[in-house]
Amino acid sequence: GAVVSQHPSWVICKSGTSVKIECRSLDFQATTMFWYRQFPKQSLMLMATSNEGSKATYEQGVEKDKFLINHASLTLSTLTVTSAHPEDSSFYICSATGTSGTTDTQYFGPGTRLTVL
Amino acid sequence: RKEVEQDPGPFNVPEGATVAFNCTYSNSASQSFFWYRQDCRKEPKLLMSVYSSGNEDGRFTAQLNRASQYISLLIRDSKLSDSATYLCVVKGAGTASKLTFGTGTRLQVTL
Repeated sequence: GAVVSQHPSWVICKSGTSVKIECRSLDFQATTMFWYRQFPKQSLMLMATSNEGSKATYEQGVEKDKFLINHASLTLSTLTVTSAHPEDSSFYICSATGTSGTTDTQYFGPGTRLTVL
Repeated sequence: RKEVEQDPGPFNVPEGATVAFNCTYSNSASQSFFWYRQDCRKEPKLLMSVYSSGNEDGRFTAQLNRASQYISLLIRDSKLSDSATYLCVVKGAGTASKLTFGTGTRLQVTL
């Protein structure tokens, strides 16, 4: 089946630093990737949708200048949390939909747990 | 009102029990419906899609009532390994349309 990886799986950083999270589709080309955030005991909330080669579409309330998304190739999207603060600590999960054979299903990465001190 | 509502539980049931989860959604334009399973500190994994005619996958049965905007999941003969959070998920039309997740229902199966 289609596999999506994320790196790193967890990260601890100091307040004010920037953190980059990578999402890769390993065995298919991901035309669309989605970034979610999940706080403890809460639902996954979509942050943004990105299509390869174009700007990401952000959900209402998500600051695009704080959460920079780049989807430069059909197998890689990155999320950069700029000037991270403790309230950004969360579980960040990406998913991807692909080209023929994988078009209707979103395949999820294993998630990245971010802790900002 | 939340777009997808679920009873958060927890549901504590003994092994072998039958348990049912319900979910309601607010967007009548939703086109696709799913149940996902999420284990603690892990990503969600697709359990099954939900169709209007109802569908079954082993011990799991899903039902959809579009008129009532209601989705259900029935688990028969519960196993310890079924302990997880079950997420009700709806999707709009189109390949790239977003998934909207419920907050999940926690199931704990005990000996």
